[in-house]
Amino acid sequence: KQEVTQIPAALSVPEGENLVLNCSFTDSAIYNLQWFRQDPGKGLTSLLLIQSSQREQTSGRLNASLDKSSGRSTLYIAASQPGDSATYLCAVLNTGNQFYFGTGTSLTVIP
Amino acid sequence: DGGITQSPKYLFRKEGQNVTLSCEQNLNHDAMYWYRQDPGQGLRLIYYSQIVNDFQKGDIAEGYSVSREKKESFPLTVTSAQKNPTAFYLCASSQGLAVNTGELFFGEGSRLTVL
Repeated sequence: KQEVTQIPAALSVPEGENLVLNCSFTDSAIYNLQWFRQDPGKGLTSLLLIQSSQREQTSGRLNASLDKSSGRSTLYIAASQPGDSATYLCAVLNTGNQFYFGTGTSLTVIP
Repeated sequence: DGGITQSPKYLFRKEGQNVTLSCEQNLNHDAMYWYRQDPGQGLRLIYYSQIVNDFQKGDIAEGYSVSREKKESFPLTVTSAQKNPTAFYLCASSQGLAVNTGELFFGEGSRLTVL
């Protein structure tokens, strides 16, 4: 069964710092990988989706990369802002339309 | 404005009562999902449906029931058989891989508290 791991569980950085969040998965037979943001008490908001044939996707200050063969993805956030404080989750889509989620990284950006 | 609407946002239940959480989507998605989120744990799949009038159990289906009579709607009933129902419930939908990227979209969630 697919297992998705996100390390670290929590991260605190000063405003303006560039940072990297990590996501690893055990089964490389995925269709896509998706990064989400979740604010306290809210649903998940999709940030970036990388198809299995792609290596990276970019949206504004966010860049996500995918190395399917090694089972890893990273989410790079440039010039972090206090508004970036949230929990970031990654999810992979396997065969049978099954999604598998990591437990998330809680990010705090200190002004 | 397309999206997924969950209601109610907050719900309180007495022990022994059944409650139903609503999930409506206007994204024309075929697949719909219900997840449960507890503090410190990842999302756990309760039920999912790939098509109208069909649904499958997820990892933690015991004590829950669903229906999929319309493409837009996928209500979740938390029955009295669910021993620990206090949690945050998330509904999601996806177009699926046949015609799209398989991107998953979520509603805003419903928080259920058992009194």
